[in-house]
Amino acid sequence: DQQVKQNSPSLSVQEGRISILNCDYTNSMFDYFLWYKKYPAEGPTFLISISSIKDKNEDGRFTVFLNKSAKHLSLHIVPSQPGDSAVYFCAASALRYRDDKIIFGKGTRLHILP
Amino acid sequence: ETGVTQTPRHLVMGMTNKKSLKCEQHLGHNAMYWYKQSAKKPLELMFVYSLEERVENNSVPSRFSPECPNSSHLFLHLHTLQPEDSALYLCASSQDTDNYGYTFGSGTRLTVV
Repeated sequence: DQQVKQNSPSLSVQEGRISILNCDYTNSMFDYFLWYKKYPAEGPTFLISISSIKDKNEDGRFTVFLNKSAKHLSLHIVPSQPGDSAVYFCAASALRYRDDKIIFGKGTRLHILP
Repeated sequence: ETGVTQTPRHLVMGMTNKKSLKCEQHLGHNAMYWYKQSAKKPLELMFVYSLEERVENNSVPSRFSPECPNSSHLFLHLHTLQPEDSALYLCASSQDTDNYGYTFGSGTRLTVV
């Protein structure tokens, strides 16, 4: 049973527009959420995170929103740029339980169209 | 360069070979991880080491054998692998209470023939 779900395998967005990547989770013990970006043949690189005590975290063009009641988070990229084309992984962890394990979703491939 | 270095970047091995993957970090992290990424599957956690001791083995077959000789180095010894073991193997490290996420290496692309 997948605890972290990214239901959209791929997403295409026009350059300059907003990209919205969604993620759902099922485990209510998760209290820390991360987004990773992965280019082909490379390992994922950390992008942005959010703790469950917050509902929004912003870093430049990237903003993550957390809706705890819906067990849903989203990553907004605005404006989208060609270099944003990559696979984005949503991940979750239960830090308050001293559990270092992070659970990843399957990823969403983002294509930025010229 | 992410701070976590994995070698080799690519590896092709036969099913009867013995090989090792290496991971090295000098970030001062206390925990290191091996992940497997197969096509169309989420990243799978294989092993977790904290302070050089294995704390978790997610039911990984014995043909994968990890070794953590010190807090900066992590190995994954491979023996009699199967073609379905072909995947990208990622190493990561973190502080136990690091709130800025994990640092991944670039991975080793393993092909078993």
